[in-house]
Amino acid sequence: EAGVAQSPRYKIIEKRQSVAFWCNPISGHATLYWYQQILGQGPKLLIQFQNNGVVDDSQLPKDRFSAERLKGVDSTLKIQPAKLEDSAVYLCASRSQGAPGYTFGSGTRLTVV
Amino acid sequence: QQQVKQSPQSLIVQKGGISIINCAYENTAFDYFPWYQQFPGKGPALLIAIRPDVSEKKEGRFTISFNKSAKQFSLHIMDSQPGDSATYFCAASLGTGRRALTFGSGTRLQVQP
Repeated sequence: EAGVAQSPRYKIIEKRQSVAFWCNPISGHATLYWYQQILGQGPKLLIQFQNNGVVDDSQLPKDRFSAERLKGVDSTLKIQPAKLEDSAVYLCASRSQGAPGYTFGSGTRLTVV
Repeated sequence: QQQVKQSPQSLIVQKGGISIINCAYENTAFDYFPWYQQFPGKGPALLIAIRPDVSEKKEGRFTISFNKSAKQFSLHIMDSQPGDSATYFCAASLGTGRRALTFGSGTRLQVQP
């Protein structure tokens, strides 16, 4: 089966600019996650979707971050405006209904300068 | 209550040796404990997982030991190989994996030839 696709792989922006990341999960996976991984740390949950509904966005900085999952398939994560501390790898993962294990994409490495 | 603490931060093992990584959790409601392996430039990949009703699970050279009373679990890599050199993350979640994973801070393993 095809893996979780993410784009772009790399992005460099100036602070206060906006940026968007895209994720295409494994076909049929109802649950989708966005994680932020700062260099040298473990992934930290930003948001969890079940189909196109939000299950958990308690750790999403809603003043600057937004995410949507239209039609319960693809998802986009947006940051506006970006801050220096947003420099990280943004990982998308998906999970099928009956299985607990995630499949992660390779991530988007964001550098804010 | 949601923290998962992981040690050591880094580990150097000789080829053929045993690698041991430890994790401790606080939330006694956690009921799913996976380990993920991450290579540079890639997303984490599920390695092995355990539920709290068993004390040990083995898959090939990888073994999870689980101590419910101590709220600790560990990953043992037997006969460590240079190809095992990667960053390892422990994690925990609620609802047998239906809720989002909380990750440890990671252990960078280097297996010397």
